[in-house]
Formats: sequence, C-alpha cells, structure tokens
Amino acid sequence: AQSVAQPEDQVNVAEGNPLTVKCTYSVSGNPYLFWYVQYPNRGLQFLLKYITGDNLVKGSYGFEAEFNKSQTSFHLKKPSALVSDSALYFCAVRDTDYGGATNKLIFGTGTLLAVQP
Amino acid sequence: ETGVTQTPRHLVMGMTNKKSLKCEQHLGHNAMYWYKQSAKKPLELMFVYNFKEQTENNSVPSRFSPECPNSSHLFLHLHTLQPEDSALYLCASSALAESGTDTQYFGPGTRLTVL
Repeated sequence: AQSVAQPEDQVNVAEGNPLTVKCTYSVSGNPYLFWYVQYPNRGLQFLLKYITGDNLVKGSYGFEAEFNKSQTSFHLKKPSALVSDSALYFCAVRDTDYGGATNKLIFGTGTLLAVQP
Repeated sequence: ETGVTQTPRHLVMGMTNKKSLKCEQHLGHNAMYWYKQSAKKPLELMFVYNFKEQTENNSVPSRFSPECPNSSHLFLHLHTLQPEDSALYLCASSALAESGTDTQYFGPGTRLTVL
C-alpha cells in the first residue's frame, strides 16, 4: 500500500539553528513529492516539490528538501530557523497506484514545528 | 492565498440545516478539489472536478453534494450533517487533474461546526 509517514508529531528548535522535518514514503513507480505548510486558521501553502532531476530541491521562504531514493525519504530542511516558521508541515506524495485520471495526493499526518526565540 | 478563496471562513449549523460552501479560484486552473481536514488525521480527498466534470467521489456520504458550474467555481452543498462532520473543509485547484506533477493550490478553508 502506498503511504507517507511523518514520524515526528512535533519538532522543537531554537531560532537560528538548522531544522529538519522528516518524511518517508512508500509508492510504486517514480515518486512525485510535495511539502506544504499550514499556519493557524489558514489553508495549506505550497513550499516545494520533487518531480525529477536534482535531489536537492529549493523552495519558498528558504526551505529546501532532499530526495533520497535509497532511503525513500524527502526531508524538509532550513539552515537557520525563524520564529515565524512555526507552523504545521505536511508531506505528500502522488498516488501512483490510482488508476483514474486524477491528481490524487496522499498526505502525511503533519509535523508541528515550534521555533523558540 | 488570494489565488483560491473560500466563503464563509466559519460556519456553525444544526443537523437539520442546509448550507453551502463556496470556492473560487483565480489561477486559470481546470481542476478543483474538496478536502476534509480533521484533527490528528491526514487530509481526506472528497471530490475532484476536471473541466467541470466530476472525476472522483471518494466514498463521500450523500449529505455532501458538490457542484462545479464552471472551472473557476466549486460549491459543497451540505444537508442533514452529523457532529462528526465538523472539520476544516479545504478547496484546492490545479492546472490539470490528470497530471501528477501539477501543484495543488489551497484556499484558506471553511471551519465547519455541526451542533
């Protein structure tokens, strides 16, 4: 079965320190991977995606993610965290088992990032 | 978030009420989606429309009825809901529903409370 796992419900980091939010996936075929961020009482905002090519993907607000095929991971990273980065982060993967003509995404359960000043 | 707008932002309704959620996208996309977000659960895809045609109904109860009059507007009509239907309902759009590489862009959501 295809799935996405975000093993940490919450990640705590001090402002200025590097942050990592973990994501692992299980799909058949080539994975299309996405990261979204959700601030309180807001919808999901797109951060970045991996489709093909360079394993290091750069996105919005200084975030980047590294695709690792052997470890089936797509961890989100930022070199220096800001208090304003505190939010809920979702990893998602295209459901390649789905036979219909639909761009169906499988989402993880989310990781709450808390950046302390 | 101005690319995809949703109204109302908050809605409280009784189990016997009928209400509608509205979504509008200003991105020139052809595919629109309804998702349900409940606490501690992954986002659940409810419906997909591609060029105004429904292409996905993810086993959603009939008390939720979608309508897509054109590629820019999407509605979710609600009737005789249950308290467990209380959640954040998110609308999204993408260029095409068939392309797995297209990014889905989300609206701010409607926080629904069923009493």
